[in-house]
Amino acid sequence: AQSVTQLGSHVSVSEGALVLLRCNYSSSVPPYLFWYVQYPNQGLQLLLKYTSAATLVKGINGFEAEFKKSETSFHLTKPSAHMSDAAEYFCAVRNPYTGTASKLTFGTGTRLQVTL
Amino acid sequence: EAGVAQSPRYKIIEKRQSVAFWCNPISGHATLYWYQQILGQGPKLLIQFQNNGVVDDSQLPKDRFSAERLKGVDSTLKIQPAKLEDSAVYLCASSLGVVASEGEQFFGPGTRLTVL
Repeated sequence: AQSVTQLGSHVSVSEGALVLLRCNYSSSVPPYLFWYVQYPNQGLQLLLKYTSAATLVKGINGFEAEFKKSETSFHLTKPSAHMSDAAEYFCAVRNPYTGTASKLTFGTGTRLQVTL
Repeated sequence: EAGVAQSPRYKIIEKRQSVAFWCNPISGHATLYWYQQILGQGPKLLIQFQNNGVVDDSQLPKDRFSAERLKGVDSTLKIQPAKLEDSAVYLCASSLGVVASEGEQFFGPGTRLTVL
């Protein structure tokens, strides 16, 4: 079974400051890992994904994440926050070896607030 | 390319009533997912279809929830009868492939259900 833990249900940063959203995973096999963003009253949008290629993954809107096997982490970062980054962010994990049963397991989410 | 469509966007019902949600996936996507997202939590998979067959419904409360995907395209999710704890956003997602490596999931905007 796989799971992810997102540390911090709420994170507040100033505009222009570094964004760091934490995600730790648990998996019995090398996982696929994802970050999704959810704006109010909208569905989830994929930011980036790790699928066992490069450990540093770059996504949309200037976000990136680094897969660290030794720390079982996949933290999301952005060098400089914009007001438009305010949203809910979800980390998710999937077992890449289960064929058609490609179920995503989500964390509980981190709400990012960006202040002036 | 059109995204995943869902309707209605909002629904308010009283407990013990019935409700149905509709999802139209991205054209050509073989896999369709229904997730339940309770306020303050990450999405939880209810059921996954591969074409019109069920792959995983282990977390679907089958005494009250049902889902079908006729002809491997559109899908409906039904709750009968609804309980207060069913209040949530119901997200539909679809993915192209039949193997995990092709499983990037695209989400619809969701249906927000309020049970009074």
